[in-house]
Amino acid sequence: SQTIHQWPATLVQPVGSPLSLECTVEGTSNPNLYWYRQAAGRGLQLLFYSVGIGQISSEVPQNLSASRPQDRQFILSSKKLLLSDSGFYLCAWKGGGNTIYFGEGSWLTVV
Amino acid sequence: DAKTTQPPSMDCAEGRAANLPCNHSTISGNEYVYWYRQIHSQGPQYIIHGLKNNETNEMASLIITEDRKSSTLILPHATLRDTAVYYCIVRDHTGGFKTIFGAGTRLFVKA
Repeated sequence: SQTIHQWPATLVQPVGSPLSLECTVEGTSNPNLYWYRQAAGRGLQLLFYSVGIGQISSEVPQNLSASRPQDRQFILSSKKLLLSDSGFYLCAWKGGGNTIYFGEGSWLTVV
Repeated sequence: DAKTTQPPSMDCAEGRAANLPCNHSTISGNEYVYWYRQIHSQGPQYIIHGLKNNETNEMASLIITEDRKSSTLILPHATLRDTAVYYCIVRDHTGGFKTIFGAGTRLFVKA
């Protein structure tokens, strides 16, 4: 069966520090992958999606970037975090029936 | 993807049916209706989806109006663990690979 994992689950980072969130999917090949962010009390905002290795599409201009170095690996990064980058980050993949399945999420607090 | 409108919050008594409405008046003929829910601090969980016929699974039932401009998610016997934010989205089942989530409906199940 397919599974999705993302880490770390929580992290507290100072303003100006770098960020790396990692997501891996198992049990499938060439999945569509997504990164979402959810600010406190708000719905989900699509940040990036990828249809294949090295193929990244950005939905909103921001301080973040994404990379897909391997088929089932999706990384969310920042060179210098801002306070506004705080939030709940979710990785997801598109499975059968075009259904989106989400990871456990990563809580980022920028201080 | 077509936009959806949901009430911001609803209450339901434990053991009773919870009926969550969603308006999607601009839905196109090839777009499906999907429902997800998000329990606090967790990633969204897929519930059910449908095109035009009513659907039922072990979690819920989905009722779609004949003109497809609205739908209702039904949790037949709500429990306290069903307290969550419920998202209704519509998306193309084949070519679309972007899914945008709105604010959803916060369902409170009360004892």
